[in-house]
Amino acid sequence: EVQLVESGGHLVQPGGSLRLSCAASGFTFSNYWMSWVRQAPGKGLEWVANIKYDGTEKNYVDSVRGRFTVSRDNARNSMYLQMSTLRAEDTAVYYCARDAYPYAVDVWGQGTTVTVSS
Amino acid sequence: QSALTQPASVSGSPGQSITISCTGTSSDVGGYNHVSWYQQHPGKAPKIMIYEVTNRPSGVSNRFSGSKSGNTASLTISGLQAEDEADYYCSSYTSGSTFRVFGGGTKLTVL
Repeated sequence: EVQLVESGGHLVQPGGSLRLSCAASGFTFSNYWMSWVRQAPGKGLEWVANIKYDGTEKNYVDSVRGRFTVSRDNARNSMYLQMSTLRAEDTAVYYCARDAYPYAVDVWGQGTTVTVSS
Repeated sequence: QSALTQPASVSGSPGQSITISCTGTSSDVGGYNHVSWYQQHPGKAPKIMIYEVTNRPSGVSNRFSGSKSGNTASLTISGLQAEDEADYYCSSYTSGSTFRVFGGGTKLTVL
């Protein structure tokens, strides 16, 4: 079964840092681009970042560029999102997602919740 | 404010058809065929319904169809069923700095 499991979501103070992890199983992880997508409470979806199958290309939404870093370890079938200088507006459910079609997600994780508050 | 514009809500009765629009610019929807649609039920992860404007993934009902004209893409659901009640989001590749954008979402109510 194809599965994505996120972890690492937590309550963190403004200005703090957090690292999210996504564990993939049931498919050849190293063949796929992967994305992070977030959803603030009661709001819509927002694409955050993605990473090429070999880790050589990364893209970010403007609001997180320079603060967030996406990475992957194909040997561990895992993707990560290192978040720093966190702001209240980063509060959201963060989904790990597989990009199977051009620029579209076919598999989503269950999400992990990040809350930025003092 | 979302990069792609969707109506906040639409509604229809069982058996009817509805269409949800998604308006962007020539830098995203109008310039590329990389438009996808997602369904999200409350408390659940999204599910892809359409990719590359018109393509349905395996397992998605043929009651769902997609199209595009100019800078506006559309999702049509025919033969509405109660289980179609959900939020729907469009997404597109963009040549802008953001790379990929979503619409603000449309809440579908089945009356």
